[in-house]
Amino acid sequence: GEDVEQSLFLSVREGDSSVINCTYTDSSSTYLYWYKQEPGAGLQLLTYIFSNMDMKQDQRLTVLLNKKDKHLSLRIADTQTGDSAIYFCAEIFYGGATNKLIFGTGTLLAVQP
Amino acid sequence: DTEVTQTPKHLVMGMTNKKSLKCEQHMGHRAMYWYKQKAKKPPELMFVYSYEKLSINESVPSRFSPECPNSSLLNLHLHALQPEDSALYLCASSQVGQGTGGYTFGSGTRLTVV
Repeated sequence: GEDVEQSLFLSVREGDSSVINCTYTDSSSTYLYWYKQEPGAGLQLLTYIFSNMDMKQDQRLTVLLNKKDKHLSLRIADTQTGDSAIYFCAEIFYGGATNKLIFGTGTLLAVQP
Repeated sequence: DTEVTQTPKHLVMGMTNKKSLKCEQHMGHRAMYWYKQKAKKPPELMFVYSYEKLSINESVPSRFSPECPNSSLLNLHLHALQPEDSALYLCASSQVGQGTGGYTFGSGTRLTVV
């Protein structure tokens, strides 16, 4: 199947760390992604991780990948009110020369001042 | 140019109208995609074009008709839509095949069918 699951909602205080979790399905996925969507806007690619990596850090963002459990997480350090948005993990499914990006259910991050 | 441009940003159409959504990119990407997104839901894949040929149709009703006239342009022709087709329609592009490094999305067309 192509179900990619996330918890629906996360509320944190400004300055705290946020951890958003994702469980994916396809163990052959080469890349896994995190996208951010602000209200009324399109999707912004935040970061991605290659499947032979366990961790990737990019400024305030840390991605952890547990391939055995098919678990992906995004940690945002020093969360700011501007980080309030919906966060989607996404997984690539390959079909020969064609691939398709399938999104998780999305996590709404609310940052309280 | 690292953008995907979608027009129009907003569209209101009646159920008997015919309209088209347009998408353009100049990043040299040879794969282009249409997604549909309902409120508070993840984007759902509709169509995939690879080298200007339709390679995936996710069982989309025929009232949605995609077209890829060249490697930079992707259209979505709309005819006889229903109110439940109201949604945000997102276009994306990427390199073809493995090692894509991600899709680049446009800001979408918000469609309302009345």
